[in-house]
Amino acid sequence: AQSVAQPEDQVNVAEGNPLTVKCTYSVSGNPYLFWYVQYPNRGLQFLLKYITGDNLVKGSYGFEAEFNKSQTSFHLKKPSALVSDSALYFCAVRDHLGGFKTIFGAGTRLFVKA
Amino acid sequence: GAVVSQHPSRVICKSGTSVKIECRSLDFQATTMFWYRQFPKKSLMLMATSNEGSKATYEQGVEKDKFLINHASLTLSTLTVTSAHPEDSSFYICSARFGTRNTGELFFGEGSRLTVL
Repeated sequence: AQSVAQPEDQVNVAEGNPLTVKCTYSVSGNPYLFWYVQYPNRGLQFLLKYITGDNLVKGSYGFEAEFNKSQTSFHLKKPSALVSDSALYFCAVRDHLGGFKTIFGAGTRLFVKA
Repeated sequence: GAVVSQHPSRVICKSGTSVKIECRSLDFQATTMFWYRQFPKKSLMLMATSNEGSKATYEQGVEKDKFLINHASLTLSTLTVTSAHPEDSSFYICSARFGTRNTGELFFGEGSRLTVL
């Protein structure tokens, strides 16, 4: 069965500093990995995904994520955080053999302080 | 990107009544839509997969008679919470898969907050 772990309930960073939001996954086959962001009382917005190829993927709003197969991780990163990045971030996984079902992690709340 | 519209955004109902939430893909056809429930501590739980023209596939532990899902067209899926109770109060979010490949990301509606009194 697929699963996703986001070990940090909340991440606090100062504006201008780099940020990392951690994610590890478990699937039986090759993973398709996604990051989404949610602002208060809104639906989720797609940030980026890893399907195959280059382990470093770039997405919206300056975010990027690195796929690490040996560590089964897909951490979200940004070189310089903005206050407007404060939101709830979800990592998600889909097994390429498991149809279209997408499983989400518990979410990590990012708080960027000015 | 693709747009998914969800309605209503907020609904308050009395215990025992039924509530219908609509999810529409506005600029694309979605053969598959997903319904999630988000709990107060953030986690997003997949409730069911809605397939156009066929019965929905429910996740383990989700009552199919309680949460009725209908996907009558390629652009509309509905979730009906029947005989709602206060414990059904939650944030319900629909999503649609764009394209036919398994590699496509999901596009989400804005969510519907249900409060059952």
